[in-house]
Amino acid sequence: DAKTTQPPSMDCAEGRAANLPCNHSTISGNEYVYWYRQIHSQGPQYIIHGLKNNETNEMASLIITEDRKSSTLILPHATLRDTAVYYCIVSESGSRLTFGEGTQLTVNP
Amino acid sequence: EPEVTQTPSHQVTQMGQEVILRCVPISNHLYFYWYRQILGQKVEFLVSFYNNEISEKSEIFDDQFSVERPDGSNFTLKIRSTKLEDSAMYFCASSRVPSSGNTIYFGEGSWLTVV
Repeated sequence: DAKTTQPPSMDCAEGRAANLPCNHSTISGNEYVYWYRQIHSQGPQYIIHGLKNNETNEMASLIITEDRKSSTLILPHATLRDTAVYYCIVSESGSRLTFGEGTQLTVNP
Repeated sequence: EPEVTQTPSHQVTQMGQEVILRCVPISNHLYFYWYRQILGQKVEFLVSFYNNEISEKSEIFDDQFSVERPDGSNFTLKIRSTKLEDSAMYFCASSRVPSSGNTIYFGEGSWLTVV
């Protein structure tokens, strides 16, 4: 699976949009972009995934660039409960996920 | 919303003892996984299980580890003779089918402390 690069930390004000970037320049055509988050030491929580089209669900939006080499996870109205480590993972089958260090998002009041 | 459930939430065991961690995957899921996270480190894949056999395992999953689906609902991870370095949070996960765009859902974890 392709490697991803994320900033180690980001801050966001409560109520504002949180935009979390991810680079995956070696992504192959069959690989999906997955986003998970982990609050404290709880189990990783699935957020969203996509192949090439932008995706939106009740939690977030995923914007994938046309060349698929990078993506952005958008939390439209961040709350304090969105403070977590966010992982961007590239995988073809989604059957074996390789977690990196992720981005520690801190939502401030 | 269906979820993966794990027991126990926390277990303390003496070095050399056997431990069994239990999981109930989401009911219509067919593909099961164990991951672990040592304190302060990344989440690491251990093993995947499909159709009553191991599908893939990592180099961490050595002979002291085993997995089993003893009945139609439970999925277990056994550590035969625990070592101090086995202290970690163990996450069970499940997914519907091992196909492209598959989504894996994780349980809340079992925290294992080996003393």
